[in-house]
Amino acid sequence: GENVEQHPSTLSVQEGDSAVIKCTYSDSASNYFPWYKQELGKRPQLIIDIRSNVGEKKDQRIAVTLNKTAKHFSLHITETQPEDSAVYFCAASKEAWGGGYNKLIFGAGTRLAVHP
Amino acid sequence: GAGVSQSPRYKVAKRGQDVALRCDPISGHVSLFWYQQALGQGPEFLTYFQNEAQLDKSGLPSDRFFAERPEGSVSTLKIQRTQQEDSAVYLCASSGGFQETQYFGPGTRLLVL
Repeated sequence: GENVEQHPSTLSVQEGDSAVIKCTYSDSASNYFPWYKQELGKRPQLIIDIRSNVGEKKDQRIAVTLNKTAKHFSLHITETQPEDSAVYFCAASKEAWGGGYNKLIFGAGTRLAVHP
Repeated sequence: GAGVSQSPRYKVAKRGQDVALRCDPISGHVSLFWYQQALGQGPEFLTYFQNEAQLDKSGLPSDRFFAERPEGSVSTLKIQRTQQEDSAVYLCASSGGFQETQYFGPGTRLLVL
């Protein structure tokens, strides 16, 4: 089955710096890659996603890149702010057998700390 | 509008007790997922419903875990004869369809003593 590896497990940056989190996946059939942000004790919230028909997507300070050949995708946060501090999870999915749904396979998470 | 809600938010159970965890998805969402999140880990898939039909239960760790969604809306995850290794946060997510965003609930934190 699909396996998603995420690095680094912890990341500490100064406010204003950029942060990059990388994920690799094993199943070449995976075609949907969301990123979730989870603050302590809160629900995971989608911050950006990308489908396999594009290589890059941006939303203000956040961008995601996808390399299908290498089977890896990355989250880029620019001009980091203290409120970006949280755990970030990448996930990969494909249409499940029988169709009509996609279960997410998550990485282990990256704890990002942005210091003022 | 209202997001996904779950209850209870916290549950402490003695080993061997049965527990029931409730999920109220976003109104109109066809797809409903249950995930288990161990401390310091990413969520892991448990089971999937499309309306009232349970189409995938491949992630349920044992036959002590049972889920239902009888009317295609509210779902209940039941764990029988709880064990310490069942301690985790149980997350519910709903979506409007294939590859639509999965919106998560706040989770139920289960502690089995």
